[in-house]
Amino acid sequence: QSALTQPASVSASPGQSIAISCTGTSSDVGYVSWYQQHPGRVPKLMIYDVSYRPSGVSDRFFGSKSGNTASLTISGLQAEDEADYYCCSYRSTGTPYVFGTGTKVTVL
Amino acid sequence: EVQLVQSGTEVKKPGESLKISCKASGFTFSNYWIAWVRQMPGKGLEWMGIIYPGDSDTRYSPSFQGRITISADKSITTAYLQWRSLKASDTAIYYCARRGYGSAYDVWGQGTMVRVSS
Repeated sequence: QSALTQPASVSASPGQSIAISCTGTSSDVGYVSWYQQHPGRVPKLMIYDVSYRPSGVSDRFFGSKSGNTASLTISGLQAEDEADYYCCSYRSTGTPYVFGTGTKVTVL
Repeated sequence: EVQLVQSGTEVKKPGESLKISCKASGFTFSNYWIAWVRQMPGKGLEWMGIIYPGDSDTRYSPSFQGRITISADKSITTAYLQWRSLKASDTAIYYCARRGYGSAYDVWGQGTMVRVSS
């Protein structure tokens, strides 16, 4: 089972919106979660089960899915959003989990 | 406080064995799946496997099956990741994580750095 495909990097200016895609085969992209990881830090859960936000996560983070592509949209980009982002898909049959390749978000 | 506390940095030689730990507190350990995730230097996250301490049901990624063993001891609320014979390519940070919100990992250990070098 290959990693899910994400763009290597995405950049935008403060206040703008960005979208990070996460693509696999139709059977790979199930219940998707998204993680933010700042350099040298532990990953942090930002979105679970495609579109739900854990308590404490800003509503500027929005998750969605269409077919075999999940997306994380960050609106009103802030300097603190500069980090690596990983998608992760769960499915109930076969290998349960697979991570995406990761996307480096740069705030210009 | 809900937390996972991992064992410290390990420096090993190729061919040596190793077992690292992940101590859970603040929640009912037996009721949550605990996963292990690898992050090689400068690289992304890789899912290795997962265990349900309640009944020791364990699943592995095909990429790691046969090279690692995941176990758990409910009595001391600790999960483990072990290797029988390390390789230099096992050099990485290893995280344990709790499957909490839905199917996602909501609590992460601080990571254990494993360095394998002759």
